[in-house]
Amino acid sequence: AQSVTQPDIHITVSEGASLELRCNYSYGATPYLFWYVQSPGQGLQLLLKYFSGDTLVQGIKGFEAEFKRSQSSFNLRKPSVHWSDAAEYFCAVGLTGTASKLTFGTGTRLQVTL
Amino acid sequence: EPEVTQTPSHQVTQMGQEVILRCVPISNHLYFYWYRQILGQKVEFLVSFYNNEISEKSEIFDDQFSVERPDGSNFTLKIRSTKLEDSAMYFCASVRGSNEKLFFGSGTQLSVL
Repeated sequence: AQSVTQPDIHITVSEGASLELRCNYSYGATPYLFWYVQSPGQGLQLLLKYFSGDTLVQGIKGFEAEFKRSQSSFNLRKPSVHWSDAAEYFCAVGLTGTASKLTFGTGTRLQVTL
Repeated sequence: EPEVTQTPSHQVTQMGQEVILRCVPISNHLYFYWYRQILGQKVEFLVSFYNNEISEKSEIFDDQFSVERPDGSNFTLKIRSTKLEDSAMYFCASVRGSNEKLFFGSGTQLSVL
């Protein structure tokens, strides 16, 4: 069965600093990979997804993620964090062919200091 | 952008009571899902629904749970006899095609006392 690991439970960065959130997955084939963000009291919003092709994917709000098959990773990055980026970030994997049934990681809570 | 709508945003119930969580998926979507997130834990898949029947369910989705699409717009999750451990945020999601973008609602926070 597929699984997702987000090793960082909580990360604090200063506004304007760069950000990298880690995600590792376990799956036998090439998975569909996603990053979602959840602001307090809000639902899950898709930041970006990887299905195939270019391993560097661009998402909304200035986020990007890079799929590295050799490392089974799909880390999320942003060059300059804004205070409004403070939220919970979830990495998720979907099975090939059924990208809608997702397995989520435990999430990383991002705190941004001014 | 279109939205998945969930009501209520917060529901409190007594243990053993039945609850129905309601969702209005996006109108041209064909696949519907329920996920849940227990406080401090990961978001977990419960059930998927397509063509008026359950297409897949997790081991969490036992006989106490049921889903229904009673009309052309609503998608409901019923818990027959709630337990304390059913307390969680329940998310509805929908998608037009199985490999397209999954849209989540803002969730219903269920508190079982």
